[in-house]
Amino acid sequence: EVQLVESGGGLVQPGGSLRLSCAASGFTFSSYHMNWVRQAPGKGLEWVAYISSGSSTIYYADSVKGRFTISRDNAKNSLFLQMTSLRAQDTAVYYCAIGQWGFDYWGQGTLVTVSS
Amino acid sequence: EIVLTQSPDFQSVTPKEKVTITCRASQSIDSNLHWYQQKPDQSPKLLIKYASQSFSGVPSRFSGSGSGTDFTLTINSLEAEDAATYYCHQSSSLPRTFGQGTKVEIK
Repeated sequence: EVQLVESGGGLVQPGGSLRLSCAASGFTFSSYHMNWVRQAPGKGLEWVAYISSGSSTIYYADSVKGRFTISRDNAKNSLFLQMTSLRAQDTAVYYCAIGQWGFDYWGQGTLVTVSS
Repeated sequence: EIVLTQSPDFQSVTPKEKVTITCRASQSIDSNLHWYQQKPDQSPKLLIKYASQSFSGVPSRFSGSGSGTDFTLTINSLEAEDAATYYCHQSSSLPRTFGQGTKVEIK
């Protein structure tokens, strides 16, 4: 069974940093491209970042470019999102999701709250 | 950036009724359009890939159609468990974008 478990969310002050993790199991993680998608409270879905299976290709949404860094460790079946210079508008549930085109499976999400 | 516009924003439907949700893209995206279901306090789940391909395990009452700029998600014979918000999503170009969502309520 495919499982994606996010962690690392929490309350952080504006300008602060946070590192999210996504632990994958139930599939060959190293063969799949991965994404981070976020959802602000009561709002819709926003794609944040993409990383190819071997980390050779990375894309970001303009809203996070230069502040967020996506990475992965295929040996540890883990996906990461390093977030810096956080803003109030980054407050959201962050999901990791499998897929290069459609997003086949999603984790349960981790809440990031940026507030003083 | 490709903008996806869903209609309606909200729909209240009785069980066994047919539901149709549309998604219009601001430019052609061929068949690079996917549909998700998100129930309250849950993560999204993929229903339809590439406009019309049903994802594994999805009930047959869910179907998709369309290409280019106009797409449709149809739920035949709505069931109570289908109460959710439905999103379309395009993978034709970067940035990946989603529609604003359509909330389906059961009367």
